[in-house]
Amino acid sequence: QVQLQESGPGLVKPSETLSLTCTVSGGSVNSGANYWSWIRQPPGKGLEWIAYIYPTGRTDYNPSLRGRVTISLDTSKSQFSLKMTSVTAADTAVYYCARDVGGNGWFDPWGQGTLVTVSS
Amino acid sequence: QSVLTQPPSASGTPGQRVTISCSGNSSNIGSNYVYWHQQLPGTAPKLLIYANNQRPSGVPDRFSGSKSGTSASLAISGLRSEDEADYYCAAWDDTLSAVVFGGGTKLTVL
Repeated sequence: QVQLQESGPGLVKPSETLSLTCTVSGGSVNSGANYWSWIRQPPGKGLEWIAYIYPTGRTDYNPSLRGRVTISLDTSKSQFSLKMTSVTAADTAVYYCARDVGGNGWFDPWGQGTLVTVSS
Repeated sequence: QSVLTQPPSASGTPGQRVTISCSGNSSNIGSNYVYWHQQLPGTAPKLLIYANNQRPSGVPDRFSGSKSGTSASLAISGLRSEDEADYYCAAWDDTLSAVVFGGGTKLTVL
């Protein structure tokens, strides 16, 4: 079955760019009505959707983060990535990647998550 | 402040039935499917209910979802200690063009 694994630096300095990659295994990133999403969870807080990308290149972003975030897809590597610029301590969170069946909140499966801390 | 509103906590004793509510508006729950995700302590969330009331394979039938108008509910019957977790509702919002979550409900099994 499809599995997702996040990777990237665990520590980013304030004002710098956060870069994460999600590797998809056990299935194709081109198949079906699958969107590929990033979601984050600050320590002790709830979930926040960040963005999704569809294999055609269609993207959508959380309005509160639009302008700072870019999501991209590399079908040859079965990976999708997230870049977030000008990070602050408020961006410290566990970042999850997930398949979104239909692009509307049907997240299944989720990656295990990776903690990114923004600190100097 | 989350777009979807959930009670921050809920509790019940083993064997009881508990419900968790999720309130939205016509742009999200009122016009789109609702999804429920379960997050056990220290783990990644997992899909529990999709398309308002459908259970993925492997999810016990003790879990059920429903939707009416601009609100949705998750019901757990025959409560067990392993159900102690955080539960999140999610839906697409047509106005925001974004997936929105509830703030999460922490379920305690007494």
